[in-house]
This record gives sequence, C-alpha cells and structure tokens, in this order.
Amino acid sequence: GAGVSQSPSNKVTEKGKDVELRCDPISGHTALYWYRQSLGQGLEFLIYFQGNSAPDKSGLPSDRFSAERTGGSVSTLTIQRTQQEDSAVYLCASSPRGGLEQYFGPGTRLTVT
Amino acid sequence: RKEVEQDPGPFNVPEGATVAFNCTYSNSASQSFFWYRQDCRKEPKLLMSVYSSGNEDGRFTAQLNRASQYISLLIRDSKLSDSATYLCVVKKGDDYKLSFGAGTTVTVRA
Repeated sequence: GAGVSQSPSNKVTEKGKDVELRCDPISGHTALYWYRQSLGQGLEFLIYFQGNSAPDKSGLPSDRFSAERTGGSVSTLTIQRTQQEDSAVYLCASSPRGGLEQYFGPGTRLTVT
Repeated sequence: RKEVEQDPGPFNVPEGATVAFNCTYSNSASQSFFWYRQDCRKEPKLLMSVYSSGNEDGRFTAQLNRASQYISLLIRDSKLSDSATYLCVVKKGDDYKLSFGAGTTVTVRA
C-alpha cells in the first residue's frame, strides 16, 4: 500500500521567506509526527498530532514554526521568515496510534540561502 | 544529558564479520525499545523491536539490560547491504513520543 509521502522533496528558499511542507500519512493512521534532522544529527522531535489535535507542540523551535492537520489526514508544517539555521531535512511519520511503530516519509530537504 | 546516547562510530568491518554496539538511555521509566535503520539520505525504517528477554531476527540480535539501562545490537555475518546508520529508539510507558539516538554508523567493506 501507499506509504507516507511528503512534498516537496527539496526546497531552496531565501532567508526571510515563508515555506510550507506537506505530509500525507498512511491512510487510517491517526498519529502524525514531524521531526527535523540536521546533517549528521539525530532526529529532533517537533510536533505530534493525534487526529487533528496537537497535544504536544513542545518541540517547535520558535514561534516561526507552526503546523496543522486537517481531516485527520494531511498535515502542513509552516516556517515563517526562514533563517539559515532552519536548513535541515524535515521528516514526517505516521503511526496507527500514538506510541506504536512509526512509518517515515522520505523527507523534505530544506535549504535556506 | 541526552535521553538516548549512542557511539557514533563509524564501525568499519569486513564482510562476514560480527559487529556489535550499544546505546544507553537515561530515563528508567522507558518501556519500549527499538532499533531503526537509516540509509544515507533516506528515511529511518524499523529494523526490530527489542524485548526484555532479547530477540533475534535472522542475523540481527538485540539485547536489553534494564539494570544498566542499555540496549545492544549485534550483526552476524555482515553483508555489504548492512552498511547504514542504526538508530536506537526509546519510548516511555504509554507515552506517544519516541526518543531517537543520533545513530551508530556501520560500514561493511568487501
């Protein structure tokens, strides 16, 4: 079946611009996670959705980052006024419910110039 | 202190060799443990769960030591295709959040 998909796969943007990253989870998965992975680093948790609710936004690095999920499916991560330190791979994962095995999408590689 | 710590490696081993590495976790309330595999520039994928009694999946053996709070992964008869970064992952009780280590890089050479 279809796995987690993310778009775009690559995004190059100028410092100060806003970007939107999209995640399509596996159909029926109620839990959705966003992570960030910088070069050579581990996964940094950003936010978790259970259905359309985000009970834990504690990982969002600043108020320039926001995320939403609609219809219990697609999620969008928005970064406003991008900075060079935002450059990283943004990974989305879904799970049948919170805490179980997570299935990752291929990621969006964001480069801020 | 990081919640999950791993030796970054790299572990460079010849084909057919055995390689083993550990990961330590700081939270004694951790209940579930996993090894994920991440190939270069790819997404992480679940390799295996780690059970209290230890478990094997083909050439891979995982062990858990709760007293010392570490998890190990052993790969026997290494293949070139085993070259990857292995991520140690820990979950607390009913918590939804997984905590990832930074990974241990293994390179198997011909």
